[in-house]
Amino acid sequence: EPEVTQTPSHQVTQMGQEVILRCVPISNHLYFYWYRQILGQKVEFLVSFYNNEISEKSEIFDDQFSVERPDGSNFTLKIRSTKLEDSAMYFCASSWGQTYSNQPQHFGDGTRLSIL
Amino acid sequence: SQELEQSPQSLIVQEGKNLTINCTSSKTLYGLYWYKQKYGEGLIFLMMLQKGGEEKSHEKITAKLDEKKQQSSLHITASQPSHAGIYLCGADRTGANNLFFGTGTRLTVIP
Repeated sequence: EPEVTQTPSHQVTQMGQEVILRCVPISNHLYFYWYRQILGQKVEFLVSFYNNEISEKSEIFDDQFSVERPDGSNFTLKIRSTKLEDSAMYFCASSWGQTYSNQPQHFGDGTRLSIL
Repeated sequence: SQELEQSPQSLIVQEGKNLTINCTSSKTLYGLYWYKQKYGEGLIFLMMLQKGGEEKSHEKITAKLDEKKQQSSLHITASQPSHAGIYLCGADRTGANNLFFGTGTRLTVIP
């Protein structure tokens, strides 16, 4: 069964550094998402991406964050000037259609980001 | 703002027992999704419910959405250790292409 794959599984970064989290969505999916889960808290939406542009973003997704689809397969989340509070599990997800058309999102295993 | 409350927060059952997890919304749900998360891993899609009164089953797991579309239940029959994990309900906001999630229910199945 097709999967969403994320790399690396664990990333340790010094505060203030930039980090790039990578995702390969399911190949025929058109919508891509990033979520995060701070330890012990809910899974929170960050951003959705379609047709090479951001379609929606949450309040969390400020100027520190950016997303890109640099080629036909990868989808990346860049976090600039990382802060301690950016430590979380980051999940990539993809779907064939839009959520409100009831197309399920399929999630990767996540990247655990630890900021020191 | 719309919230999803799950109950119970945690559940410990003996292998072979049945169990139910509930997810309640403060407003009418547009679509309701059930996911399972193993500790430190990703979310595995289980089922999606759209219509009031809808019920879906997959293997030993059955999910229902009430007629008012404000409450969903997930029922596991004859639980097995492989059912252990965190069960999350998620929903989409009307007109929004993203999901918001409940706090999760941690299920432990004792062999």
